[in-house]
Amino acid sequence: ETGVTQTPRHLVMGMTNKKSLKCEQHLGHNAMYWYKQSAKKPLELMFVYSLEERVENNSVPSRFSPECPNSSHLFLHLHTLQPEDSALYLCASSQALIGTSGSWYNEQFFGPGTRLTVL
Amino acid sequence: AQKVTQAQTEISVVEKEDVTLDCVYETRDTTYYLFWYKQPPSGELVFLIRRNSFDEQNEISGRYSWNFQKSTSSFNFTITASQVVDSAVYFCALHSSASKIIFGSGTRLSIRP
Repeated sequence: ETGVTQTPRHLVMGMTNKKSLKCEQHLGHNAMYWYKQSAKKPLELMFVYSLEERVENNSVPSRFSPECPNSSHLFLHLHTLQPEDSALYLCASSQALIGTSGSWYNEQFFGPGTRLTVL
Repeated sequence: AQKVTQAQTEISVVEKEDVTLDCVYETRDTTYYLFWYKQPPSGELVFLIRRNSFDEQNEISGRYSWNFQKSTSSFNFTITASQVVDSAVYFCALHSSASKIIFGSGTRLSIRP
């Protein structure tokens, strides 16, 4: 496998279900991201992990729970979602430069996305 | 406030025409990165270019060129002699120490044969 992979590619779930999205990067990067892309808001950054620590959570509802067990894997656990959560969920990775004056994130490489439909 | 504006929601041109996609950004930081990404119909965003705020040189890569002007806070993208395969949604993005990354709303480009 090369680049960034995501599974599953398509997911249909009911509002009471619990499911997880998986992302894996094979690029040796140290930062990973979850994005939500819907028709109403094209690209929303949800979570950022740098060196396996969450560094940003953009006011995402608690029904979305990320997990980053190591620098190559990122999960998004879903539970009790709403129909408005239906969207394309994109994972990305990049190299982050961590310094005393701040962190800099180079260009991101994206996976193909998971098309989620909540019934 | 950090902001990226892509005022052109959709553009449609005939193949072989040149087309320019506009990107205007706002940031108070003096150091920042600007990016362009392409999202073809398959859905996977593809990185095209990164520009450091200290480097105002324009860049050309084949049929693609980028014009970075700090004076107008713009980072425009031109495709010369467009082809049908250029049809996609193009996103401009900004990253500075104040924010991880902010994407514009995207411009949908359609190239008609």
